[in-house]
Amino acid sequence: EVQLLESGGALVQPGGSLRLSCAASGFIFRSYAMNWVRQAPGKGLEWVSVISESGTRTYYAGSVTGRFTISRDNSRNTVYLQMNSLRAEDAAIYYCAKGRGGSYSGPDYWGQGTLVSVSS
Amino acid sequence: DIQMTQSPSSLSASVGDRVTITCRASQAISTYLAWYQQKPGKVPKLLIYGASSLQSGVPSRFSGSVSGTDFTLTISTLQPEDVATYYCQKYNSAPLTFGGGTTVELK
Repeated sequence: EVQLLESGGALVQPGGSLRLSCAASGFIFRSYAMNWVRQAPGKGLEWVSVISESGTRTYYAGSVTGRFTISRDNSRNTVYLQMNSLRAEDAAIYYCAKGRGGSYSGPDYWGQGTLVSVSS
Repeated sequence: DIQMTQSPSSLSASVGDRVTITCRASQAISTYLAWYQQKPGKVPKLLIYGASSLQSGVPSRFSGSVSGTDFTLTISTLQPEDVATYYCQKYNSAPLTFGGGTTVELK
């Protein structure tokens, strides 16, 4: 059974930093791209970033480019999202989502999410 | 960037009705389109990928089709458990943009 467990969400001040983690199990982690998707309270889904199976290719939404960095550790079956220069509009539930295959395959399984709040 | 426009933003239908949701891409994306269902308070669930391929375990009353850059999700016979918000997502290239969502309610 695919399991994705996010952690690291917290309340942070504008301009602050946060690192999210997602521990994966139930599938061959190194064989699949991994995504981060966020959802602000009462709003729709917003794709944030994807990292390829090996970690050599990364892609970002325009709204986070230059501020967020996705990475993965295939030895630990974990994907990360480093978030810097946080803004109020970054406040959301952040979901880790397994790709169906490579970077351009879209997610098929989602974690329960971790809440990021940005406020002074 | 390619934009994904979903319509309607919400709809109300009766149990047993046929429900159709549309997603239009601003440029060609071939069949690189997925549909997700998100029930209130729950995480999204993949329904359809490749525009028309049903994800394993998804009831057959859900189907997807494509005509050019117009994609359609159809629920053939609406059930009470289908109350949810539905999202399309294109994945031919980054950014993997979602549509704005369609909320389906029971009449």
